[in-house]
Amino acid sequence: GQQVMQIPQYQHVQEGEDFTTYCNSSTTLSNIQWYKQRPGGHPVFLIQLVKSGEVKKQKRLTFQFGEAKKNSSLHITATQTTDVGTYFCAGFRDSGTYKYIFGTGTRLKVLA
Amino acid sequence: EAQVTQNPRYLITVTGKKLTVTCSQNMNHEYMSWYRQDPGLGLRQIYYSMNVEVTDKGDVPEGYKVSRKEKRNFPLILESPSPNQTSLYFCASSLPAGGSYNEQFFGPGTRLTVL
Repeated sequence: GQQVMQIPQYQHVQEGEDFTTYCNSSTTLSNIQWYKQRPGGHPVFLIQLVKSGEVKKQKRLTFQFGEAKKNSSLHITATQTTDVGTYFCAGFRDSGTYKYIFGTGTRLKVLA
Repeated sequence: EAQVTQNPRYLITVTGKKLTVTCSQNMNHEYMSWYRQDPGLGLRQIYYSMNVEVTDKGDVPEGYKVSRKEKRNFPLILESPSPNQTSLYFCASSLPAGGSYNEQFFGPGTRLTVL
């Protein structure tokens, strides 16, 4: 079946280092959303991208949607301890349904 | 305060005992969804609803039922729970799925253990 893999599964960084997580789908997605889940919490929406090749920035976070709409990335510049959590990508299959598929998640730990 | 609420937050039950997890949102959202979260698998969609009386299967619907009689409520029913349904469950809601503003708002989660 269709899968959305995220790499890496885990990442430990020193505070101040950059971090990138990659989201790769086996099929085309009509949109890509990113969520952050703090330990013990629920997913919280960060951003949505819908256009091929789209790039959006939120302060230290940069999000990109691939040209083929099958992959995406989230880059955090100069990580802070508040960035700790698991980051998920999600999207609708590009098949006319509104059924979400989520990525496997990347768990980020930031060492002070 | 705009929110999605779920009850109960924690539940330990036994195999075969029917249970319902309630979900309610106060944002007048059309789209509602149930997910289960298991380590290493991310969130997997169980069922979703585009609007009242419109529900559809997600990726892992087996063993679950839902209903959408009112816009604000979307209960998840396990008719005969089994141990493989032990998981963390999230309800979510959003504006219409095909629109530009369809960020999902998640409830706090329900941790279910089936013995």
